[in-house]
Amino acid sequence: SQQGEEDPQALSIQEGENATMNCSYKTSINNLQWYRQNSGRGLVHLILIRSNEREKHSGRLRVTLDTSKKSSSLLITASRAADTASYFCATESGGSYIPTFGRGTSLIVHP
Amino acid sequence: NAGVTQTPKFRVLKTGQSMTLLCAQDMNHEYMYWYRQDPGMGLRLIHYSVGEGTTAKGEVPDGYNVSRLKKQNFLLGLESAAPSQTSVYFCASRSDSPYEQYFGPGTRLTVT
Repeated sequence: SQQGEEDPQALSIQEGENATMNCSYKTSINNLQWYRQNSGRGLVHLILIRSNEREKHSGRLRVTLDTSKKSSSLLITASRAADTASYFCATESGGSYIPTFGRGTSLIVHP
Repeated sequence: NAGVTQTPKFRVLKTGQSMTLLCAQDMNHEYMYWYRQDPGMGLRLIHYSVGEGTTAKGEVPDGYNVSRLKKQNFLLGLESAAPSQTSVYFCASRSDSPYEQYFGPGTRLTVT
C-alpha cells in the first residue's frame, strides 16, 4: 500500500512558471524523499528532508515538510522543458530502510 | 562507476516460461530492492535484501523469488510467468549516508 500520495496527479505549465506538487502520508516518518523519473528511465534522487527539518533547498528545488499535517511540497522554480517528468515522494518510517513510494505527479512543461 | 545496471532491458515471455533478471551495483551498498511499476500504481516493492545472503518479502512477492549470493548482485526470478507480471521492473540499491536510493534503468517485461 502507498504511504505517500502525490497531488495533483498531473500538472501542465509553461516554461518559466513555478511548479508545486504535494505529498501526503499517513504515519509518522523518519524522512521523506523526492525522486524524478524521466520517461522510460529509472528514478533519480532529488532531495531528502528529515522529520526534524521544515525546509530544504537544492538549486531550483524547494521542499517543505509539515509533520503536523503529514504533508510535504516540492516547488520547482522557473521551470524548464527539461523538467518534464514524473515526480515521486517516498517515505521511511520506524527502523525500516524501505522507502514507500506514492503514485507520482506527472509534470509537463511547455516551451 | 556504472552505478546500478540491469539485464536484460527488454524481454517477452510466454505464459509459463521462466526467467531471471539480474541487478548489479558497484557502490558496495548493503541494501538492494526490486520494484515493479505499473501505470497508475507507482512503485511497488517485490523483495528486498539488507545484505549478502539475506532476502525478505515486500508488498507484492507472490510469483517471484530472489537471491543475493554476492553483495553486488540481486537476482529476481519468475518461475512460471503470468500475464499479470507484465510490467517494468526496477532494481535499486541504497547508500547509508546520505540516505538515497540509486535506480537501474529498468527491465520491460511482457508476458503473452
